[in-house]
Amino acid sequence: GNSVTQMEGPVTLSEEAFLTINCTYTATGYPSLFWYVQYPGEGLQLLLKATKADDKGSNKGFEATYRKETTSFHLEKGSVQVSDSAVYFCAHKNYGGSQGNLIFGKGTKLSVKP
Amino acid sequence: NAGVMQNPRHLVRRRGQEARLRCSPMKGHSHVYWYRQLPEEGLKFMVYLQKENIIDESGMPKERFSAEFPKEGPSILRIQQVVRGDSAAYFCASSPSGFSGQGNYGYTFGSGTRLTVV
Repeated sequence: GNSVTQMEGPVTLSEEAFLTINCTYTATGYPSLFWYVQYPGEGLQLLLKATKADDKGSNKGFEATYRKETTSFHLEKGSVQVSDSAVYFCAHKNYGGSQGNLIFGKGTKLSVKP
Repeated sequence: NAGVMQNPRHLVRRRGQEARLRCSPMKGHSHVYWYRQLPEEGLKFMVYLQKENIIDESGMPKERFSAEFPKEGPSILRIQQVVRGDSAAYFCASSPSGFSGQGNYGYTFGSGTRLTVV
């Protein structure tokens, strides 16, 4: 079935450290892939996306590359800031699945210490 | 240019009462999705609606839960006879179209309604 598996948290880093949050997916067809971020007490905001193999999504210093061969979409940032503390969700939307159905991972909580 | 508006932000209900959650999509968006987030869990799809139509309700519990998106007014998620296990954050999202054939955009989410059943 369709699913998203992402690295379990919480992840605690010092400011300016390198961040990787792993995400792998299973899907039928050719899904679009997304990373969403949820700041405390707020809804989800789209962080970045990729729609086909080898596409790289990027935003606010975050990047993720759509790797079809490994069915992965790992999130990276070279130098995290305290303001990046949030929960990060990997998701995919599958053409072959229910129309408009985004499938989410469980989320990874990131805490960045000064 | 308001985003997706959900109200109330927080809702407390006693067991057995009804909960009504409202969602106004972004202007120009005619597709609405409801998701539930249980504590320490990711978001689970519940239902997808267009105006006056339920397109996919595969994630909705079979009993006590219903959703509508009338021609006029917000989308409503209704939970009858709430139980403690219904306590969760309920998020609504909207998009301009459900299945563009490209699927290359994400949804816009509201800030959620946090339901607490006591």
